[in-house]
Amino acid sequence: QSALTQPASVSGSPRQSITISCTGTSSDIGGYDLVSWYQQHPGKAPKLMIYEDNQRPSGVSNRFSGSKSGNTASLTISGLQAEDEAHYYCCSYAGRSTFVFGGGTKLTVL
Amino acid sequence: EVQLLESGGGLVQPGGSLRLSCAASGFTFSSYVMSWVRQAPGKGLEWVSAISGSGGSTFYADSVKGRFTISRDNSTNTLYLQMNSLRAEDTALYYCAKCQRGFDAFDIWGQGTMVPVSS
Repeated sequence: QSALTQPASVSGSPRQSITISCTGTSSDIGGYDLVSWYQQHPGKAPKLMIYEDNQRPSGVSNRFSGSKSGNTASLTISGLQAEDEAHYYCCSYAGRSTFVFGGGTKLTVL
Repeated sequence: EVQLLESGGGLVQPGGSLRLSCAASGFTFSSYVMSWVRQAPGKGLEWVSAISGSGGSTFYADSVKGRFTISRDNSTNTLYLQMNSLRAEDTALYYCAKCQRGFDAFDIWGQGTMVPVSS
């Protein structure tokens, strides 16, 4: 149950696009179409942004999109806005009814 | 409104025990897998444990296996986490989370309950 690997930080200017990567193994990300992404603002609970690799829950802006290639998943945020500044965590089903999270990425909107 | 409300956190000494509760409302509790996820101060999220809708199957992270026990009471829509042999590294904000469909993603989260483990 090793944590998924995310960059510690990314940054971008308003209206730009950024991508956050999340690398795992064939036992988690690569083995299932069950990667999810969460946004967490300081002092708040996480919020589901993407599920099943690339599906967006109702109410989540279409500026958020997910993709996957092999053992690496990605979250792309287009048209960056100040309110997007937060921590982002990836998560994957890891078999035998267990989950593994990434270490988290702090997004700074410049 | 779909809601999860955790309680039961508090300061506990190393080696001690604590039971967390999570009261669910606004959805058919027994139909969903439920989980506990924790977050150490200033750190990332860590999945701790999950339980099937019926309560008949339970699953744990290696870091808590043998020390923590997850359970649920579908008659009162309450999820529990019994934590024994607590260690300093168990210090965290513990979130209750609902799984959206099976084991796909956590779509509803509580606000968390803090558990500091210290002498």
